[in-house]
Parts: sequence; C-alpha cells; structure tokens
Amino acid sequence: DIQMTQSPSSLSASVGDRVTIACQASQDINNYLNWYQQKPGKAPKLLIYDASNLATGVPSRFSGRGSGTDFTLTIYSLQPEDIATYYCQEYDNLPYSFGRGTKLEIK
Amino acid sequence: EVQLVQSGAEVKKPGESLKISCKGSGYRFSTYWIGWVRQMPGRGLEWMGIIDPGDSDTRYRPSFQGHVTISVDKSISTAYLQWSSLTASDTAMYYCARGSYYFDNWGQGTLVTVSS
Repeated sequence: DIQMTQSPSSLSASVGDRVTIACQASQDINNYLNWYQQKPGKAPKLLIYDASNLATGVPSRFSGRGSGTDFTLTIYSLQPEDIATYYCQEYDNLPYSFGRGTKLEIK
Repeated sequence: EVQLVQSGAEVKKPGESLKISCKGSGYRFSTYWIGWVRQMPGRGLEWMGIIDPGDSDTRYRPSFQGHVTISVDKSISTAYLQWSSLTASDTAMYYCARGSYYFDNWGQGTLVTVSS
C-alpha cells in the first residue's frame, strides 16, 4: 500500500492567515491526489480532486498543488468556518489510502 | 440533488451480525461506484472498499477483506456493509460515499457500537 504522510498533524492560525498543509506519498502517484475537509461531528467533504481541481461549491481561497510525491493544500485568508481536520487521499493503486489528517484550529 | 442516506445507529454485542445500508438518490445509481470509509473514535479515515453497482465488482482493502462484505441492490439504489461476527474493534462511524477515485458525495454516517 502507498503511505501518505501529512504535516503538520495539527496547527493553529489566525483569521486571515495563509495556511499550508503538506502531504507526501511513499511513491510517485502522478496527480492522483484528493483533499477532504471534515468538520467536527460531520461527514467529510471533497475539497480538491486530481491534486488541483476545486470541487463544486468550494470557496476559491482553497488551492491544491503538487505532483509525483509532494502535494500541498493552501487556504488563503483563513476563515473561522475553516476549523476542521483535513485529509489527503491517493488513488494511484488499490487499495486507496488516506493521510492521517491535519487538525486546524483558530488562534 | 445527490443524496446518500444511511441507516441509523446500531448497538450490538460481540459475535452478532449486522448489515447497514446506504440509499442513493438524485442521480443514476448504477453509474457511480460506492465506497465505504471507517472512522474509529478519535481517529482518521480508513478506505475500506468500493463496489460498482452496475456489475457488483468489489475491491477491498486487504485488512478488511474476509471480515466485512460490501454488496449492492441496484433495483433499490442501495449499498450495504455487513458483518457476520462483530468484535469490539468494529466500534466506529461508517460512511458511504459516491465515487471510485474520489468521493464527491457522502452519507451522514452510521455509528456502530459493539459492546458486551
């Protein structure tokens, strides 16, 4: 299985800050990488697919980049409603794998 | 509107069987794979497996294969996740989601608690 390593595991930032979360794959996965947001007590929600494509209805302050083994999710101008845990997920080879998550808190 | 509606919370004893469901609506059910994702208490997301409602082709994460069964009844647009013998370590929230490479719509989750 491909291992997905997210960093940091948690972070605290202020409203308006730019926040970047990293995800590294244990092998080359092309751009087969998705990002999800899970708010407390809720089901996950797709944010980004194919590394950089914004899912329907997702605010433009969210952005994904990367290919190969290194990927990032950036939130430009953090908002209070962005408090959540963020997960990356690869789909290069079955079974697909999620990262362990990055918990984002507001200072 | 695409919706996936899951069956309600369950409390079971070790060794009991269970089948939870996920009903799709608002789209052509047979044309999108359905996946299942486990989230144990306070933990992250685990990809369990996916099924193609069109032909019931199913792919499992090896660590789940043999312990759970994923199935579908496309005539009623419903996917299932079942256990023949639950253990305490099956206590978790289980989500169904639409898609194969990525999950673009999710159910609300079914909480399964296994306790003696």
